[in-house]
Amino acid sequence: GESVGLHLPTLSVQEGDNSIINCAYSNSASDYFIWYKQESGKGPQFIIDIRSNMDKRQGQRVTVLLNKTVKHLSLQIAATQPGDSAVYFCAENTPTSGTYKYIFGTGTRLKVLA
Amino acid sequence: KAGVTQTPRYLIKTRGQQVTLSCSPISGHRSVSWYQQTPGQGLQFLFEYFSETQRNKGNFPGRFSGRQFSNSRSEMNVSTLELGDSALYLCASSLELAGVDEQFFGPGTRLTVL
Repeated sequence: GESVGLHLPTLSVQEGDNSIINCAYSNSASDYFIWYKQESGKGPQFIIDIRSNMDKRQGQRVTVLLNKTVKHLSLQIAATQPGDSAVYFCAENTPTSGTYKYIFGTGTRLKVLA
Repeated sequence: KAGVTQTPRYLIKTRGQQVTLSCSPISGHRSVSWYQQTPGQGLQFLFEYFSETQRNKGNFPGRFSGRQFSNSRSEMNVSTLELGDSALYLCASSLELAGVDEQFFGPGTRLTVL
């Protein structure tokens, strides 16, 4: 298959602290990126997106940063809450064979400590 | 607006059987993608349909097939089930899956092969 889902890194954060989740993407031609949150037993939930012509985008308590030079994305969650505990995936929308396809990162498990 | 729906939510089959999963995209969305998610391999792309045509296909054997209807609803079929097919099957929809199209996921169908 076309995925890099191997070991799942874990980030443990104290409740109230800020979290930073990182992701390296594969294709410099990718022009759109999404961060997803997946809770146990559920499908991935869209959190925030960013286009390649931007380097930062803010949402409610979340910020995505894009560094095209090193093909790196990060998701920052402010004032992390217990409900933020989940697996977070980045996805790049990459051109392929005349159309587009999403490629997903490995995923990072975020654990919020009370 | 209703989200992506998938039926059934859970399935238990035995080896050698075949299974059909269904996905209804968000109203107005014409692109439907299917993914297989397992703990060891992460999110793997199966195929994508747009306007009843398969536009893109991942690296899965021919036992995995799909189709899309004129109302954009999609089905995927797995024939001659193997134990390794046990996974969460996710469907995602977008308007056209062009360069900057958001992609939204359904809750998934959990398939267990005994």
